[in-house]
Amino acid sequence: GQQLNQSPQSMFIQEGEDVSMNCTSSSIFNTWLWYKQDPGEGPVLLIALYKAGELTSNGRLTAQFGITRKDSFLNISASIPSDVGIYFCAGQASGTYKYIFGTGTRLKVLA
Amino acid sequence: ETGVTQTPRHLVMGMTNKKSLKCEQHLGHNAMYWYKQSAKKPLELMFVYSLEERVENNSVPSRFSPECPNSSHLFLHLHTLQPEDSALYLCASSQDLGQGPDGYTFGSGTRLTVV
Repeated sequence: GQQLNQSPQSMFIQEGEDVSMNCTSSSIFNTWLWYKQDPGEGPVLLIALYKAGELTSNGRLTAQFGITRKDSFLNISASIPSDVGIYFCAGQASGTYKYIFGTGTRLKVLA
Repeated sequence: ETGVTQTPRHLVMGMTNKKSLKCEQHLGHNAMYWYKQSAKKPLELMFVYSLEERVENNSVPSRFSPECPNSSHLFLHLHTLQPEDSALYLCASSQDLGQGPDGYTFGSGTRLTVV
C-alpha cells in the first residue's frame, strides 16, 4: 500500500534557527497537507498544497509541493519556543478520498 | 462552540466496561472520521461517514462500534477493549468526503487508557 516517509523523526534546535522537514511517497499525490499537533491536542492544519511546484507560506512557515508530486517540504524560519510539537504531512492521491499520514517530526526548541 | 469537539478528553476503562466517545462538529461539514493515534505510528483511519452513511470500515475489531445519528454528531462505542487499544482517538470532519479547502479539521482527541 501507499506509504509516507517523513524525516527527520525528531529535531532539537536552538531558538532562532531555521527548520526543514520533508515527506516522500512511493506514489503520486494530488494534495499535500501539513499539520501541527501540540501535546494533548489534535492536529491543526498549517498549509495545504494542491499543485506540483506550488510554494505556500503561512507566517514563518513555508511548504512546497514537489515537482515529482511524490514529495513535499516544510520549512520554519527563525524558530520560537511555541513551535514545539509534532508536525505531520498528509497526502491524497487521485481517485481516493483518503489521506495517508506521515509518522510525524517531533520538534523541540531550546531557548 | 466552534470546530470539532470531543468528549471526554480522558477516559480510563476496564476491559469489561462499555463506554462511548462523542464527537460534535459545528462546521456544517458532511463527512466525519474516526482515527486512532498510537505512539510513533501514522494516524490509522478507523471509520468514515459521509452524509450520515458509513463509507469505510477499515477492518476494525467489532469491539469498536461507530454511530452517526446526524451529520453533526459521531459516536464511538467501546466494549470489552484490550490494553493495546489504549491510544488517542481523534475525530475529524471535512466539507465533503476527503475534500474541502481546509482538509480535515480535527478535534482535540480522547486519550483512552484500558486497564
